[in-house]
Amino acid sequence: SQTIHQWPATLVQPVGSPLSLECTVEGTSNPNLYWYRQAAGRGLQLLFYSVGIGQISSEVPQNLSASRPQDRQFILSSKKLLLSDSGFYLCAWNPTSGYEQYFGPGTRLTVT
Amino acid sequence: EDKVVQSPLSLVVHEGDTVTLNCSYEVTNFRSLLWYKQEKKAPTFLFMLTSSGIEKKSGRLSSILDKKELFSILNITATQTGDSAVYLCAVEESLSSYKLIFGSGTRLLVRP
Repeated sequence: SQTIHQWPATLVQPVGSPLSLECTVEGTSNPNLYWYRQAAGRGLQLLFYSVGIGQISSEVPQNLSASRPQDRQFILSSKKLLLSDSGFYLCAWNPTSGYEQYFGPGTRLTVT
Repeated sequence: EDKVVQSPLSLVVHEGDTVTLNCSYEVTNFRSLLWYKQEKKAPTFLFMLTSSGIEKKSGRLSSILDKKELFSILNITATQTGDSAVYLCAVEESLSSYKLIFGSGTRLLVRP
């Protein structure tokens, strides 16, 4: 069966510091991968998606970036965090478009 | 601009009650509508709906889609305290093929 992992679970970082969040999927190959952010009391906002190694599409302009160095690994990064980057970051995958997305456990990021 | 609107924003009921959660959408290139349940962390998949008028059922939960009136409802009968969660509605658009547009969710609290 497929499983999706995210780490760390929680993170507190000062403004201006770098960020690296990692997501890995097991038990499948060539998944579509997604990064979402959820602000408190809000729905999920799609940040990036990837349909293959090195293929990244960005949905919103921001100071975040994403990379997919391996088939089942998706990384969310920032060179300098802003206060507005605080939130709950969720990674998700699906085998192809038109199938439901499955979510990882999430990373709660607080920028101070 | 594409959008998904859920109502009510929050709801408090007692165990045994029946609840109906609403989701309306304005999405230019609709492909499917999905319901998720989010407790403390990752949203878990409930239903995917693509055709009007066909009810999907899972235990005490059921959902139906009306593509003419552009809405869906999620029904929960004989509610239990374990149903307390945020219920998220999302619409997949077919143009970009990979994008889920989420509503802000309905927070349900079931009191014993």
